[in-house]
Amino acid sequence: AQKVTQAQTEISVVEKEDVTLDCVYETRDTTYYLFWYKQPPSGELVFLIRRNSFDEQNEISGRYSWNFQKSTSSFNFTITASQVVDSAVYFCALSEAGEGRRALTFGSGTRLQVQP
Amino acid sequence: DSGVTQTPKHLITATGQRVTLRCSPRSGDLSVYWYQQSLDQGLQFLIQYYNGEERAKGNILERFSAQQFPDLHSELNLSSLELGDSALYFCASSVRAQGAEAFFGQGTRLTVV
Repeated sequence: AQKVTQAQTEISVVEKEDVTLDCVYETRDTTYYLFWYKQPPSGELVFLIRRNSFDEQNEISGRYSWNFQKSTSSFNFTITASQVVDSAVYFCALSEAGEGRRALTFGSGTRLQVQP
Repeated sequence: DSGVTQTPKHLITATGQRVTLRCSPRSGDLSVYWYQQSLDQGLQFLIQYYNGEERAKGNILERFSAQQFPDLHSELNLSSLELGDSALYFCASSVRAQGAEAFFGQGTRLTVV
């Protein structure tokens, strides 16, 4: 069965520090998709990135970067030079390609607090 | 703004009652998902529809049901409500049934008293 583990429940950093949020997944499929979502204090879920299992290239978007490693079943998220506005709960999610398993399975989330 | 609209934003109701949550997906999206977010269970998938047909079921209780209409909007019906049903209910939509990113509405905060 598919599973996503975010072992870090809460992380607190000071502004301008770099921070990495860990995500480890389990799946029996060879085709699957990985996602990160941000949930700010206002409550909505904001899509950040999608990766398919055949694309291990790392991605950078401004201060955000993602490291996908199939060998360790990890899809980690790094925020460089963190800012107070980055304070939120971040969710890693997985969906498989198989029928009936395509919905997102979410990790438990990591709460990031960025102190000024 | 994700383009997904959920109504109402807040709902307070008594135990035993029935409520209906409504979702309008992004323009062009055929797939609609419902999720429940609670403190003890986290984000749980409830049910998925694609172009009017049910595609997958998650941890949805028998007291809950959903449908997707020809205009692609969806409704989640919750009946015989219990205190434990208090949660944030999200609707999400995506363009395909598989693999595409899902965009979430702002959620409906349901409080059962």
